[in-house]
Amino acid sequence: ETGVTQSPTHLIKTRGQQVTLRCSSQSGHNTVSWYQQALGQGPQFIFQYYREEENGRGNFPPRFSGLQFPNYSSELNVNALELDDSALYLCASSFQGRQETQYFGPGTRLLVL
Amino acid sequence: QQQVKQSPQSLIVQKGGISIINCAYENTAFDYFPWYQQFPGKGPALLIAIRPDVSEKKEGRFTISFNKSAKQFSLHIMDSQPGDSATYFCAASKSDYQLIWGAGTKLIIKP
Repeated sequence: ETGVTQSPTHLIKTRGQQVTLRCSSQSGHNTVSWYQQALGQGPQFIFQYYREEENGRGNFPPRFSGLQFPNYSSELNVNALELDDSALYLCASSFQGRQETQYFGPGTRLLVL
Repeated sequence: QQQVKQSPQSLIVQKGGISIINCAYENTAFDYFPWYQQFPGKGPALLIAIRPDVSEKKEGRFTISFNKSAKQFSLHIMDSQPGDSATYFCAASKSDYQLIWGAGTKLIIKP
């Protein structure tokens, strides 16, 4: 088990609602990345946070936003939920963004009805 | 140019056999090529990774073979065990930036 935790584990929302997902990073890690994994597919990079600033973003619309806190934990917020947002949302923490140090949490399964 | 293509989509191997999963990439700027293992209900876990300055890396029963000229890399699992049954993802990145992932291979090891 990694030291990366995510909450909640499962969530059901309806279209148009807003959702906040949370992630606590591994001790000693200062970078958090968020990924969306649709069923049967590989993860897609949403964005990365380093020192409380967004440090890179994938091909996701602005209704996907995030925060990183001084203790390096992070939140992913999604506004105006769409059916296609149903997926497993993965958080990964790393040291200085170095891929070799990246550990993933177990994910939050979001279902949008 | 950002794609990473992974094959096969699924693979069944007898216990003790060799499992081979292949990936191809297009962007020659990629400089980091990891393989991740994911069990149901869990996040992906880094299995083994390679940088393009070497052609092969071995860790226990897991080996990455890297062919820079062909822009391909593969994962070999020797002496495959039922506990290896999982979904395997290849990925690639440039300068530790965002990982570009393959679509995954569901591996089943038959006892």
